[in-house]
Amino acid sequence: QKEVEQNSGPLSVPEGAIASLNCTYSDRGSQSFFWYRQYSGKSPELIMFIYSNGDKEDGRFTAQLNKASQYVSLLIRDSQPSDSATYLCAVNTNTNAGKSTFGDGTTLTVKP
Amino acid sequence: EAQVTQNPRYLITVTGKKLTVTCSQNMNHEYMSWYRQDPGLGLRQIYYSMNVEVTDKGDVPEGYKVSRKEKRNFPLILESPSPNQTSLYFCASSLGRGPGEETQYFGPGTRLLVL
Repeated sequence: QKEVEQNSGPLSVPEGAIASLNCTYSDRGSQSFFWYRQYSGKSPELIMFIYSNGDKEDGRFTAQLNKASQYVSLLIRDSQPSDSATYLCAVNTNTNAGKSTFGDGTTLTVKP
Repeated sequence: EAQVTQNPRYLITVTGKKLTVTCSQNMNHEYMSWYRQDPGLGLRQIYYSMNVEVTDKGDVPEGYKVSRKEKRNFPLILESPSPNQTSLYFCASSLGRGPGEETQYFGPGTRLLVL
């Protein structure tokens, strides 16, 4: 089992719809969770991080964390064609400072 | 401008010829990492550093070396490159370990081809 798994893509949604991206992790010692966006040919850039159970909202983006289920998700509301990218889930543990594990990524296409 | 720089951006080399990819950050970050990214795969951590002279292996360290002699620099060394090290490499840095400090800032990437 991979340490961090993301829902297999690619994911395609129409413009204006909600895109839902999911990530599960295996290490119960994980403490911090990140969503990065990577446009084709570019570097990853942070969208959101979340540390506590529940929801965290930032504009059209909502991250959800459920540590009991070892699950973190990213919802993108009112999806735009500019949201088309690969989304990477990353997990850091508290036990091994500096170690960061990424999922394989989910490629999202938002169709006009 | 706050940034992470990598050089070279593109490199073609031959099997066995030692090479170094440089990484530098100007944000006074404590943590730095190297990742490789292959088609269909996410980022896999090669090595990371928590501070000067403190480094540790990531998930795929075989065939790589690193050093952290200065806080701002974290070079990646391939002493005897092989074709399976053909990949896209990213350097990243983060401020620390507290909430909000773990965000990683990535360099532009180095595309390496080993023939």
